[in-house]
Amino acid sequence: DTGVSQDPRHKITKRGQNVTFRCDPISEHNRLYWYRQTLGQGPEFLTYFQNEAQLEKSRLLSDRFSAERPKGSFSTLEIQRTEQGDSAMYLCASTQGAGNEQFFGPGTRLTVL
Amino acid sequence: EDQVTQSPEALRLQEGESSSLNCSYTVSGLRGLFWYRQDPGKGPEFLFTLYSAGEEKEKERLKATLTKKESFLHITAPKPEDSATYLCAVKGSSNTGKLIFGQGTTLQVKP
Repeated sequence: DTGVSQDPRHKITKRGQNVTFRCDPISEHNRLYWYRQTLGQGPEFLTYFQNEAQLEKSRLLSDRFSAERPKGSFSTLEIQRTEQGDSAMYLCASTQGAGNEQFFGPGTRLTVL
Repeated sequence: EDQVTQSPEALRLQEGESSSLNCSYTVSGLRGLFWYRQDPGKGPEFLFTLYSAGEEKEKERLKATLTKKESFLHITAPKPEDSATYLCAVKGSSNTGKLIFGQGTTLQVKP
């Protein structure tokens, strides 16, 4: 399977705990995006990487959120001190270049109790 | 500010009953309009990219069209397996290439 993969698919955590999600993009894609989607809404942009450089962060990404893409390959998204409002589907997408279509992974569903 | 609005929010069709979904957008410097299909609990699946007014793309029972202010996704003779949420997104002049999504149209096709 050469698509975008994400792990875990589901995560249930208690408020205040830290969680980390992983995304493996399509291998030749140099751009990687993180989005967040809540029920009944379209995905919202969080942050993006070109190779290993994080070039933009949305105002939605509070100080509790951090993302990395070491060596320009897989990426991780960490949420510290989770809050109930962080409950959402976290989607990763990758593409080659700015103008092309983005291909999405299956998402990680986070539930904060 | 770039913005995308989709209508209707929900659509119920009988199998074989053709219809259209609307995506209205405002964006500075459109660099692409994208349609995705999303099944419950899954990530969006890419369908089409449109770049300029007058452009059309087709795939099976789906046809996407683009004007300077809106895009339509036409569904001809839908089948129950076409039931899903259809998302429209635009890419503006920002160098990030980030997508701005509408809220989606949830389509249910009854046999």
